[in-house]
Amino acid sequence: TQLLEQSPQFLSIQEGENLTVYCNSSSVFSSLQWYRQEPGEGPVLLVTVVTGGEVKKLKRLTFQFGDARKDSSLHITAAQPGDTGLYLCAADSNYQLIWGAGTKLIIKP
Amino acid sequence: DAGITQSPRHKVTETGTPVTLRCHQTENHRYMYWYRQDPGHGLRLIHYSYGVKDTDKGEVSDGYSVSRSKTEDFLLTLESATSSQTSVYFCAIRPDYGGVYGYTFGSGTRLTVV
Repeated sequence: TQLLEQSPQFLSIQEGENLTVYCNSSSVFSSLQWYRQEPGEGPVLLVTVVTGGEVKKLKRLTFQFGDARKDSSLHITAAQPGDTGLYLCAADSNYQLIWGAGTKLIIKP
Repeated sequence: DAGITQSPRHKVTETGTPVTLRCHQTENHRYMYWYRQDPGHGLRLIHYSYGVKDTDKGEVSDGYSVSRSKTEDFLLTLESATSSQTSVYFCAIRPDYGGVYGYTFGSGTRLTVV
């Protein structure tokens, strides 16, 4: 069974701080996706990482795919209240998404 | 244009009544999915479809049925609603040219069974 372990499950920090969310697995994936979900809405794709060792940046968000393609991380620099939301990692496997449990992030002004 | 819409957005129904949720897409994708999202459980797959009249069960399919008579519409039916089916339901579509491009989700239907 392919699983994605996401940590931490909950994070509450002050505006301006940095944070990292992890998504780990014992399985190798061809790619990993990161979504953000805001209250009352569906998940929205932030980025897909495809190549082992790949780093992608989306403004203050940095996404990394592990060399072995088993893990990924999301780093937010200087977090802002607008970053508040549920962050989900996922892998597309056999035409279905395997989900991490999600990280609920709260950024306090 | 969102590409995918769900209706209704909110619904309150009584235990034992049938309920149908609708998902409509304008992207002409083959793959469509129904998920439910509950606190502590994340997103769980109920059913999915890989073409007109082609559907399959997900991990939490008991008590639910689906139908897809047109590419653009995927219906989720609760034959006899129970309180345990109170949840937020999301529909999603997967691009035919590859899941690596990400799935697109609807805005959800909040269903309350009383």
